[in-house]
Amino acid sequence: GAGVSQSPRYKVAKRGQDVALRCDPISGHVSLFWYQQALGQGPEFLTYFQNEAQLDKSGLPSDRFFAERPEGSVSTLKIQRTQQEDSAVYLCASSALQGAPLGSGANVLTFGAGSRLTVL
Amino acid sequence: SQKIEQNSEALNIQEGKTATLTCNYTNYSPAYLQWYRQDPGRGPVFLLLIRENEKEKRKERLKVTFDTTLKQSLFHITASQPADSATYLCALPTTGGFKTIFGAGTRLFVKA
Repeated sequence: GAGVSQSPRYKVAKRGQDVALRCDPISGHVSLFWYQQALGQGPEFLTYFQNEAQLDKSGLPSDRFFAERPEGSVSTLKIQRTQQEDSAVYLCASSALQGAPLGSGANVLTFGAGSRLTVL
Repeated sequence: SQKIEQNSEALNIQEGKTATLTCNYTNYSPAYLQWYRQDPGRGPVFLLLIRENEKEKRKERLKVTFDTTLKQSLFHITASQPADSATYLCALPTTGGFKTIFGAGTRLFVKA
């Protein structure tokens, strides 16, 4: 597609429910990133995929958070047993750049509009 | 750990003036630095990238400087317009990795 598409745009969940957030990156983009953004803060890194391989998941806050990209295109971020502190905007970004030694390329990110999660 | 600091206070300026936003970083030497714009309810949008061997970069009314000694970047918008009102985020690649980390952003308000 022309841009990065995320769904749903808004999700309200009761505490304890599981949620799934979808990201459809730009066609052909190798790299895909998930970020979490709290109100008034910058995006915080969650996880990174190169094609279907999850190369870095150091930012996932707990084992309730799980991300996958099984065919190297669409990705899903799943949050199990949601808690109020999970309320945030979840941003997906994609990049054409493959993992390369630093300095040999620049990772310019194209973001989706985000999925706003509210946990009651 | 690697940190990015941006002025958390909102910047209010009059239309036509130059807005200057600051980004400071600590504990590493990035190969490049990026600036993104974010409007309410939207994802960040890439504006400019400047590499460590470049002192200055321009794009239309935007100018970015990168001082690797001071570990600082300045982002200027000349002849500012109300449509420039947004949050501006500074972003850097982490050392040895592929992830990009962001500052908290500075909110800019341009009054007509």
